[in-house]
Amino acid sequence: DAKTTQPNSMESNEEEPVHLPCNHSTISGTDYIHWYRQLPSQGPEYVIHGLTSNVNNRMASLAIAEDRKSSTLILHRATLRDAAVYYCILFSGAGSYQLTFGKGTKLSVIP
Amino acid sequence: GAVVSQHPSRVICKSGTSVKIECRSLDFQATTMFWYRQFPKQSLMLMATSNEGSKATYEQGVEKDKFLINHASLTLSTLTVTSAHPEDSSFYICSAGQLAKNIQYFGAGTRLSVL
Repeated sequence: DAKTTQPNSMESNEEEPVHLPCNHSTISGTDYIHWYRQLPSQGPEYVIHGLTSNVNNRMASLAIAEDRKSSTLILHRATLRDAAVYYCILFSGAGSYQLTFGKGTKLSVIP
Repeated sequence: GAVVSQHPSRVICKSGTSVKIECRSLDFQATTMFWYRQFPKQSLMLMATSNEGSKATYEQGVEKDKFLINHASLTLSTLTVTSAHPEDSSFYICSAGQLAKNIQYFGAGTRLSVL
């Protein structure tokens, strides 16, 4: 499976934008870029995914580099409820559809 | 959005007993479900892929006789931890894929403590 690299941790002030980076230099042409987050003591939660174009939904935006070797999850206004571990995962959509979780980025939000 | 329900959320049992965890997809059919295990301060590790109507596929190092998986219907998969020991204490999480949307939905997890 193609790997992703994320910073171990990041901090943000409440109500400020947060940019969570992810490097995936070995991404293949058919790999989707998925983001999930896990709040403490809960199962992961889907955030957003994309293939080539930037994507927006009610939770976040996903900016994908033109060469697709990196992407950035953008939370437009961080709230205390956004404190979680954010996972960037490449998903081919083929085969068994399993997700492989890395260590993710632990986001702390400062009030 | 789609919901995956996992039950129980927490279980405490004595060493040597068996524990069953249920995972239900509430508003979509899931031919494939996944079971993960997560130790404190670590990431999720895939244990097995549960396939409706057939045998589960286990990841390397996961004992299939210890972690019994049954996926008898399109909305229910169960994980039974047999003869549980303290080292099996962990956070178990299931997921189901809504493949048409290319999204997986996760249960809230089950925290197992074996005394």
